[in-house]
Amino acid sequence: GAVVSQHPSRVICKSGTSVKIECRSLDFQATTMFWYRQFPKKSLMLMATSNEGSKATYEQGVEKDKFLINHASLTLSTLTVTSAHPEDSSFYICSASPGTTNEKLFFGSGTQLSVL
Amino acid sequence: DAKTTQPNSMESNEEEPVHLPCNHSTISGTDYIHWYRQLPSQGPEYVIHGLTSNVNNRMASLAIAEDRKSSTLILHRATLRDAAVYYCILRKVDSSYKLIFGSGTRLLVRP
Repeated sequence: GAVVSQHPSRVICKSGTSVKIECRSLDFQATTMFWYRQFPKKSLMLMATSNEGSKATYEQGVEKDKFLINHASLTLSTLTVTSAHPEDSSFYICSASPGTTNEKLFFGSGTQLSVL
Repeated sequence: DAKTTQPNSMESNEEEPVHLPCNHSTISGTDYIHWYRQLPSQGPEYVIHGLTSNVNNRMASLAIAEDRKSSTLILHRATLRDAAVYYCILRKVDSSYKLIFGSGTRLLVRP
């Protein structure tokens, strides 16, 4: 079945540094990818919709300058957490779909970000 | 976005059927009912989805009420590997295709 690969699975960084997370669709092309974040014991919160070749669409309350999204190809989207602070520590998850409308979404295995 | 309501948690015995309910009284005609589950420290996994008719696949069955205001995910024989958080989500057929997750039901499976 379709696979979404997310890298790295875990990252620890110092406060003030930037961290890039990659999301790849391994065996299908994804015009659209989605980025979520999840705090412990909480549900997933949609951050943004990543569109290949155009600007990402951010959900209300998500800082676009803080969370930079680039979707340069049909198989790769990246999320960069800029000037990370401890409150940015979270589980970040990407997802993608090979089709449109009601195709199921495939999710990456997530990235645990810890900012010291 | 139309909301879904699920119990916070449920328990089941191994090898017994599990019925996970979901209420979505404000569902619109263009909303599909999707179910995903999330195992600890992993990304969510697709389970099943449907519009009006009941659906079956190798993982589960989805029973949809005639008025579509509620649905039930049925795991026919729960295993320990089915212990997860199960999310019932309404997904609009529009240009965004995005999934908005609710709080889900945490399923505990007893050996």
